[in-house]
Amino acid sequence: QSVLTQPPSASGTPGQRVTISCSGSSSNIGSNTVNWYQQLPGTAPKLLIYSNNQRPSGVPDRFSGSKSGTSASLAISGLQSEDEADYYCAAWDDSLNGRGAYVFGTGTKVTVL
Amino acid sequence: QVQLVQSGAEVKKPGASVKVSCKVSGYTLTELSMHWVRQAPGKGLEWMGGFDPEDGETIYAQKFQGRVTMTEDTSTDTAYMELSSLRSEDTAVYYCATASQVRDGMDVWGQGTTVTVSS
Repeated sequence: QSVLTQPPSASGTPGQRVTISCSGSSSNIGSNTVNWYQQLPGTAPKLLIYSNNQRPSGVPDRFSGSKSGTSASLAISGLQSEDEADYYCAAWDDSLNGRGAYVFGTGTKVTVL
Repeated sequence: QVQLVQSGAEVKKPGASVKVSCKVSGYTLTELSMHWVRQAPGKGLEWMGGFDPEDGETIYAQKFQGRVTMTEDTSTDTAYMELSSLRSEDTAVYYCATASQVRDGMDVWGQGTTVTVSS
């Protein structure tokens, strides 16, 4: 059972803005940076956002991340058909394992209507 | 540019062990934090463990402690993940992925290795 909670699904029409939430606790999001991954059907995950709001080279600027307290959000503006994928938040959790562990969110499936 | 190439699909019987390899190119393995993540059919991502290059220790997720071993062959820049006492619930795609530090985002992923556990 994941310690990071996301809505199971989100949807929008092309051009719309979609936001995905990620709720955690003081031991993970509250004290560590958040990363977001995009997983297209049948492919390996891809790092989309790191350190809360940084985009790796090649990631379009319509993807943005933010963090406040023990929650984080991923926003997709100008939604495109190729954005239809599963999205996962993730962070290090200091309370697990004795010396910490990496945890993924429950995942959100984004559908482009 | 770092690239990760994993070994091929495996079919194992319950109780057996599986060893998946992950060949690193474009970088030195010891300078990276190598993680292993799995994904059961239709399920989310699950972190299994990762190497912390700062202290040279491997951290295992509590769920897999005692059953998983992650090793590295620095002479060939190849990482390995061995999972023992396999059961049907271990049927999944297993990914290796690298980060700069153990707490950082994983920016390079292998293509995945499908492990099927079936009698």
